[in-house]
Amino acid sequence: ETGVTQSPTHLIKTRGQQVTLRCSSQSGHNTVSWYQQALGQGPQFIFQYYREEENGRGNFPPRFSGLQFPNYSSELNVNALELDDSALYLCASSRTEQETQYFGPGTRLLVL
Amino acid sequence: AQSVSQHNHHVILSEAASLELGCNYSYGGTVNLFWYVQYPGQHLQLLLKYFSGDPLVKGIKGFEAEFIKSKFSFNLRKPSVQWSDTAEYFCAGLVTGRRALTFGSGTRLQVQP
Repeated sequence: ETGVTQSPTHLIKTRGQQVTLRCSSQSGHNTVSWYQQALGQGPQFIFQYYREEENGRGNFPPRFSGLQFPNYSSELNVNALELDDSALYLCASSRTEQETQYFGPGTRLLVL
Repeated sequence: AQSVSQHNHHVILSEAASLELGCNYSYGGTVNLFWYVQYPGQHLQLLLKYFSGDPLVKGIKGFEAEFIKSKFSFNLRKPSVQWSDTAEYFCAGLVTGRRALTFGSGTRLQVQP
């Protein structure tokens, strides 16, 4: 059984640029959630996708957006990058919205 | 507001010592609780979870946690730690009907051989 995978592993961008991060969910999982983990902190919920629709959103501005595809993989897009967006971005998948979430290795984004 | 608190930010133990990491939650409804572990250079892994039933739950690698509703706590325990338990431990909660896992700030455990 393949676990959650994310790409790329690392990324360096400059302020004002846009970035797309990708996630493949675990086999049999139809729900994907995205989290931002700043250095020294716990992950913060960005949003969740279920059956290709946004299913819940945390306290993040609209420049954080996402997509889920028919195969349940997902993208996180961030526009107009700011220095504070530098963080580890985690994707988690689950069988449904309320079940246990399993995490991928994350994408480390550095904004200069 | 939903919140999860971990009061121990950094714990240093010798091998074979007993471990207890504190976790308190603040929720208005029914909550599912989790402990995740992040070993150095690895991704977040599920240690154990509580949804309902027996408040004492056992997880992988000899860890267990007890849900005490009256104290709003879900402390993680292990009777004898090993050097390989060195990692960051996160407590998290999920309110029934919500989507977001709410994480504590984490506890960094350092086990000295």
